[in-house]
Amino acid sequence: GAVVSQHPSWVICKSGTSVKIECRSLDFQATTMFWYRQFPKQSLMLMATSNEGSKATYEQGVEKDKFLINHASLTLSTLTVTSAHPEDSSFYICSASGGLGTNEKLFFGSGTQLSVL
Amino acid sequence: RKEVEQDPGPFNVPEGATVAFNCTYSNSASQSFFWYRQDCRKEPKLLMSVYSSGNEDGRFTAQLNRASQYISLLIRDSKLSDSATYLCVVYTGTASKLTFGTGTRLQVTL
Repeated sequence: GAVVSQHPSWVICKSGTSVKIECRSLDFQATTMFWYRQFPKQSLMLMATSNEGSKATYEQGVEKDKFLINHASLTLSTLTVTSAHPEDSSFYICSASGGLGTNEKLFFGSGTQLSVL
Repeated sequence: RKEVEQDPGPFNVPEGATVAFNCTYSNSASQSFFWYRQDCRKEPKLLMSVYSSGNEDGRFTAQLNRASQYISLLIRDSKLSDSATYLCVVYTGTASKLTFGTGTRLQVTL
Protein backbone atom coordinates (compact mmCIF):
# COMPACT_ATOMS: atom_id res chain seq x y z
CA GLY A 1 0.00 0.00 0.00
CA ALA A 2 0.86 3.66 -0.14
CA VAL A 3 3.58 4.79 2.23
CA VAL A 4 4.04 8.16 3.86
CA SER A 5 7.31 8.85 5.61
CA GLN A 6 7.52 11.52 8.30
CA HIS A 7 10.57 12.62 10.21
CA PRO A 8 11.90 13.31 12.67
CA SER A 9 9.96 11.07 15.03
CA TRP A 10 11.05 12.98 18.12
CA VAL A 11 12.27 16.52 18.58
CA ILE A 12 13.34 18.20 21.79
CA CYS A 13 14.24 21.84 21.42
CA LYS A 14 14.69 25.03 23.38
CA SER A 15 12.03 27.68 23.46
CA GLY A 16 12.44 30.17 20.63
CA THR A 17 13.97 27.82 18.10
CA SER A 18 12.34 26.69 14.87
CA VAL A 19 11.63 23.08 14.04
CA LYS A 20 11.06 21.61 10.60
CA ILE A 21 9.06 18.42 10.07
CA GLU A 22 9.08 16.62 6.73
CA CYS A 23 6.39 14.48 5.21
CA ARG A 24 7.10 12.43 2.08
CA SER A 25 4.91 10.22 -0.04
CA LEU A 26 7.22 7.41 -1.09
CA ASP A 27 5.37 5.55 -3.78
CA PHE A 28 2.71 7.90 -5.04
CA GLN A 29 2.27 11.55 -5.91
CA ALA A 30 0.41 13.43 -3.22
CA THR A 31 -1.43 16.44 -4.60
CA THR A 32 -2.79 17.18 -1.16
CA MET A 33 -1.25 16.71 2.25
CA PHE A 34 -2.78 17.42 5.61
CA TRP A 35 -1.15 18.43 8.86
CA TYR A 36 -2.72 17.49 12.19
CA ARG A 37 -1.87 18.16 15.79
CA GLN A 38 -2.86 15.95 18.68
CA PHE A 39 -2.59 16.86 22.35
CA PRO A 40 -2.65 14.09 24.96
CA LYS A 41 -6.04 12.39 25.25
CA GLN A 42 -7.50 14.62 22.58
CA SER A 43 -8.52 14.05 19.00
CA LEU A 44 -6.48 14.84 15.94
CA MET A 45 -7.10 18.42 14.96
CA LEU A 46 -6.58 19.47 11.38
CA MET A 47 -4.19 22.41 11.22
CA ALA A 48 -3.89 22.99 7.52
CA THR A 49 -4.33 21.56 4.07
CA SER A 50 -1.30 21.73 1.84
CA ASN A 51 -1.66 21.71 -1.92
CA GLU A 52 1.29 21.24 -4.22
CA GLY A 53 2.35 24.48 -5.82
CA SER A 54 -0.05 26.72 -3.96
CA LYS A 55 -0.51 28.27 -0.55
CA ALA A 56 -1.72 26.12 2.29
CA THR A 57 -5.23 26.53 3.64
CA TYR A 58 -5.19 26.97 7.41
CA GLU A 59 -7.96 26.04 9.79
CA GLN A 60 -9.49 28.69 11.98
CA GLY A 61 -7.30 29.52 14.95
CA VAL A 62 -4.08 28.23 13.43
CA GLU A 63 -1.46 30.95 12.93
CA LYS A 64 -0.08 30.71 9.42
CA ASP A 65 2.97 32.80 10.30
CA LYS A 66 3.85 30.45 13.11
CA PHE A 67 3.23 27.18 11.30
CA LEU A 68 4.83 27.55 7.89
CA ILE A 69 3.86 24.95 5.34
CA ASN A 70 5.68 24.33 2.09
CA HIS A 71 4.52 21.82 -0.52
CA ALA A 72 7.05 22.38 -3.25
CA SER A 73 6.77 19.00 -4.93
CA LEU A 74 4.25 16.22 -5.33
CA THR A 75 6.11 14.06 -2.84
CA LEU A 76 7.19 16.46 -0.10
CA SER A 77 5.47 18.80 2.32
CA THR A 78 7.18 20.47 5.26
CA LEU A 79 5.81 22.04 8.41
CA THR A 80 8.03 24.52 10.22
CA VAL A 81 7.10 25.52 13.75
CA THR A 82 8.71 28.93 14.09
CA SER A 83 9.86 30.29 17.44
CA ALA A 84 8.51 27.27 19.24
CA HIS A 85 7.20 27.63 22.79
CA PRO A 86 6.28 25.01 25.39
CA GLU A 87 2.60 25.27 24.47
CA ASP A 88 3.52 24.05 20.98
CA SER A 89 4.61 20.73 22.45
CA SER A 90 2.37 18.18 20.81
CA PHE A 91 2.18 15.21 18.47
CA TYR A 92 2.18 16.38 14.84
CA ILE A 93 1.03 14.02 12.10
CA CYS A 94 0.86 14.44 8.36
CA SER A 95 -1.28 12.55 5.92
CA ALA A 96 -1.45 12.44 2.19
CA SER A 97 -4.02 11.78 -0.47
CA GLY A 98 -3.76 11.75 -4.21
CA GLY A 99 -3.52 9.02 -6.77
CA LEU A 100 -5.95 7.00 -4.67
CA GLY A 101 -9.18 8.05 -6.26
CA THR A 102 -10.75 10.01 -3.45
CA ASN A 103 -9.62 12.53 -0.92
CA GLU A 104 -11.21 10.57 1.86
CA LYS A 105 -8.62 7.81 1.74
CA LEU A 106 -5.59 9.00 3.61
CA PHE A 107 -2.31 7.49 4.57
CA PHE A 108 -0.60 8.83 7.63
CA GLY A 109 2.99 9.49 8.48
CA SER A 110 4.28 8.01 11.72
CA GLY A 111 4.05 11.33 13.54
CA THR A 112 6.49 13.68 15.23
CA GLN A 113 6.49 14.20 18.99
CA LEU A 114 7.66 17.75 19.65
CA SER A 115 8.78 18.75 23.12
CA VAL A 116 9.72 22.39 23.65
CA LEU A 117 11.63 23.10 26.83
CA ARG B 1 -21.46 20.36 20.57
CA LYS B 2 -18.51 18.46 19.12
CA GLU B 3 -18.76 17.41 15.50
CA VAL B 4 -17.90 13.82 16.37
CA GLU B 5 -18.49 12.48 19.87
CA GLN B 6 -17.26 9.30 21.46
CA ASP B 7 -17.18 7.88 24.97
CA PRO B 8 -13.49 8.14 25.89
CA GLY B 9 -13.62 5.02 28.06
CA PRO B 10 -11.47 3.24 29.03
CA PHE B 11 -13.27 0.01 28.34
CA ASN B 12 -11.57 -2.79 30.27
CA VAL B 13 -12.66 -6.21 29.03
CA PRO B 14 -11.34 -9.75 29.44
CA GLU B 15 -9.91 -11.64 26.52
CA GLY B 16 -12.67 -13.27 24.49
CA ALA B 17 -15.30 -10.70 25.40
CA THR B 18 -17.49 -8.79 22.96
CA VAL B 19 -17.32 -5.02 23.19
CA ALA B 20 -19.15 -2.26 21.35
CA PHE B 21 -18.25 1.39 20.80
CA ASN B 22 -20.63 4.12 19.76
CA CYS B 23 -20.12 7.43 18.00
CA THR B 24 -22.43 10.27 17.08
CA TYR B 25 -21.85 13.01 14.52
CA SER B 26 -23.52 16.38 14.20
CA ASN B 27 -23.27 17.20 10.49
CA SER B 28 -26.12 15.56 8.61
CA ALA B 29 -24.28 16.25 5.34
CA SER B 30 -21.46 13.91 6.30
CA GLN B 31 -20.83 11.43 3.56
CA SER B 32 -18.35 8.80 4.64
CA PHE B 33 -17.49 7.18 7.91
CA PHE B 34 -14.54 5.22 9.17
CA TRP B 35 -13.10 3.55 12.21
CA TYR B 36 -9.39 4.05 12.75
CA ARG B 37 -7.18 2.40 15.33
CA GLN B 38 -4.46 4.36 17.07
CA ASP B 39 -1.80 2.96 19.37
CA CYS B 40 -0.11 5.24 21.87
CA ARG B 41 2.01 7.91 20.16
CA LYS B 42 1.53 6.25 16.79
CA GLU B 43 -0.26 7.31 13.66
CA PRO B 44 -3.90 6.28 13.16
CA LYS B 45 -4.45 3.27 10.94
CA LEU B 46 -7.63 2.61 9.01
CA LEU B 47 -9.53 -0.27 10.54
CA MET B 48 -12.58 -0.24 8.32
CA SER B 49 -14.98 1.94 6.41
CA VAL B 50 -18.59 2.03 7.55
CA TYR B 51 -21.32 1.42 5.03
CA SER B 52 -25.04 2.14 5.33
CA SER B 53 -25.91 -1.55 5.08
CA GLY B 54 -23.44 -2.44 7.79
CA ASN B 55 -20.27 -4.36 7.13
CA GLU B 56 -18.14 -6.99 8.74
CA ASP B 57 -14.45 -7.74 8.61
CA GLY B 58 -13.53 -10.80 10.60
CA ARG B 59 -14.22 -10.09 14.26
CA PHE B 60 -15.16 -6.48 13.56
CA THR B 61 -18.62 -5.26 12.59
CA ALA B 62 -19.51 -1.66 11.79
CA GLN B 63 -22.99 -0.16 11.62
CA LEU B 64 -24.28 3.20 10.44
CA ASN B 65 -27.60 4.81 11.27
CA ARG B 66 -27.94 7.98 9.23
CA ALA B 67 -31.33 8.91 10.69
CA SER B 68 -29.86 8.97 14.20
CA GLN B 69 -26.41 10.10 13.01
CA TYR B 70 -24.86 7.22 14.86
CA ILE B 71 -22.03 4.81 14.10
CA SER B 72 -20.99 1.72 15.99
CA LEU B 73 -18.12 -0.75 16.08
CA LEU B 74 -18.49 -4.24 17.54
CA ILE B 75 -15.47 -6.36 18.36
CA ARG B 76 -16.06 -10.05 19.02
CA ASP B 77 -13.69 -12.45 20.74
CA SER B 78 -11.40 -9.64 21.92
CA LYS B 79 -7.65 -10.24 21.76
CA LEU B 80 -4.93 -8.67 23.83
CA SER B 81 -3.66 -7.10 20.62
CA ASP B 82 -6.95 -5.24 20.20
CA SER B 83 -5.92 -2.93 23.05
CA ALA B 84 -5.73 0.52 21.47
CA THR B 85 -7.72 3.70 20.98
CA TYR B 86 -10.48 3.49 18.39
CA LEU B 87 -11.22 6.68 16.51
CA CYS B 88 -14.52 7.43 14.85
CA VAL B 89 -13.85 9.48 11.73
CA VAL B 90 -16.31 11.36 9.55
CA TYR B 91 -15.72 12.75 6.09
CA THR B 92 -17.68 15.77 4.93
CA GLY B 93 -17.36 16.27 1.23
CA THR B 94 -18.26 19.94 1.21
CA ALA B 95 -15.34 20.71 3.46
CA SER B 96 -13.21 17.94 1.97
CA LYS B 97 -11.83 16.98 5.30
CA LEU B 98 -11.88 14.27 7.89
CA THR B 99 -13.07 15.02 11.41
CA PHE B 100 -11.80 12.78 14.17
CA GLY B 101 -13.50 11.85 17.41
CA THR B 102 -11.43 11.89 20.58
CA GLY B 103 -11.29 8.12 20.52
CA THR B 104 -12.38 5.32 22.81
CA ARG B 105 -9.67 3.54 24.72
CA LEU B 106 -9.93 -0.26 24.88
CA GLN B 107 -7.87 -2.39 27.23
CA VAL B 108 -8.15 -6.15 26.84
CA THR B 109 -6.85 -8.15 29.78
CA LEU B 110 -6.08 -11.79 30.51
